[in-house]
Amino acid sequence: GQQLNQSPQSMFIQEGEDVSMNCTSSSIFNTWLWYKQEPGEGPVLLIALYKAGELTSNGRLTAQFGITRKDSFLNISASIPSDVGIYFCAGQPSPQGGSEKLVFGKGTKLTVNP
Amino acid sequence: ETGVTQSPTHLIKTRGQQVTLRCSSQSGHNTVSWYQQALGQGPQFIFQYYREEENGRGNFPPRFSGLQFPNYSSELNVNALELDDSALYLCASSLRGSTEAFFGQGTRLTVV
Repeated sequence: GQQLNQSPQSMFIQEGEDVSMNCTSSSIFNTWLWYKQEPGEGPVLLIALYKAGELTSNGRLTAQFGITRKDSFLNISASIPSDVGIYFCAGQPSPQGGSEKLVFGKGTKLTVNP
Repeated sequence: ETGVTQSPTHLIKTRGQQVTLRCSSQSGHNTVSWYQQALGQGPQFIFQYYREEENGRGNFPPRFSGLQFPNYSSELNVNALELDDSALYLCASSLRGSTEAFFGQGTRLTVV
């Protein structure tokens, strides 16, 4: 089945630094989404990408849909302590198979030191 | 806050028992998906419901079943619980045709 390889697994950074994480797959995806999950909560949608090559920003977050449709990256600029959490990439595989199911990566755990 | 609510938030069951988890969709959403998230892993798709019918299923055995009601709320039922069923169960609602899924806070199930 489809799998997403997300890297790095964890990051320890200083407040103010920029962060970059990515997701790759051997399969094509129609849509890429990035979620953030904090302890005891469900994932919260950050950014959705729909077209190959698309670059989208949401505040300090920027994400891109890879041209090959097999990868995506998320950048966070000028990190702050509240950026702490686990970031997941998720994709809708092609073909869809009749449902809008999402395949998730294993997550990147971000720790920000003040 | 997404408007997707799940109950209960925590649950402890014994191996072999049955469990029912509940989810209320975000207002205006007609599609509900269920995911299982094991510790340290990303969510895994269980199944999706649209118009009260199952509309896609992941790699989960038939003892995982669900329902969707006319008001778009949903239930996840798991029979013959196994220790490996211990996980966070997430419900997500969306509009049919949209991949933007909005998650509830989850139900933490522990099977002992």
